[in-house]
Amino acid sequence: GIQVEQSPPDLILQEGANSTLRCNFSDSVNNLQWFHQNPWGQLINLFYIPSGTKQNGRLSATTVATERYSLLYISSSQTTDSGVYFCAVGRGYQKVTFGTGTKLQVIP
Amino acid sequence: DAGITQSPRHKVTETGTPVTLRCHQTENHRYMYWYRQDPGHGLRLIHYSYGVKDTDKGEVSDGYSVSRSKTEDFLLTLESATSSQTSVYFCAIRGDGYEQYFGPGTRLTVT
Repeated sequence: GIQVEQSPPDLILQEGANSTLRCNFSDSVNNLQWFHQNPWGQLINLFYIPSGTKQNGRLSATTVATERYSLLYISSSQTTDSGVYFCAVGRGYQKVTFGTGTKLQVIP
Repeated sequence: DAGITQSPRHKVTETGTPVTLRCHQTENHRYMYWYRQDPGHGLRLIHYSYGVKDTDKGEVSDGYSVSRSKTEDFLLTLESATSSQTSVYFCAIRGDGYEQYFGPGTRLTVT
């Protein structure tokens, strides 16, 4: 199956700082999603981005499918951004494989 | 909000007992999924369904069975619970645009 690697595994930021999270995958995909799991365990869909760039407020994501990676940018981080960020990829649309996540802590 | 509920939200059970977790959706999505989440592993797919009575295995299906007799309900059964099945279980649906949306999770402890 597809291997998904996320980096860094852990990240601590001062409030207001910017960050970039990376997702590398081992095979071509046509399905890629980013999720945020908040400290209460809720999983929230951030982006569906198999290719190209999308932005939603302070968050943006870019996927370069030909080079098998995706980046999630968080600008002007806030304490509410804390949690774990997951990348999930798939070759089809039926199912996806999750990475092990990046745990982000934003301190005031 | 994709209208996904899971029940129970928390359960403690003893080794060897059967356990059934329920996922309910209100929007008639065709695809539904069961994942487990464990430290260091992210989320791993147990089983998924692509329609009523149509199911398939995921990467960690041993020890689990599923059923889907109605579009809105997807049941996950542990026939004989083991301590290795202590985990947080998430149900998800696939939306019209291929994104997956998750329920609130069920924390299961097998003692």
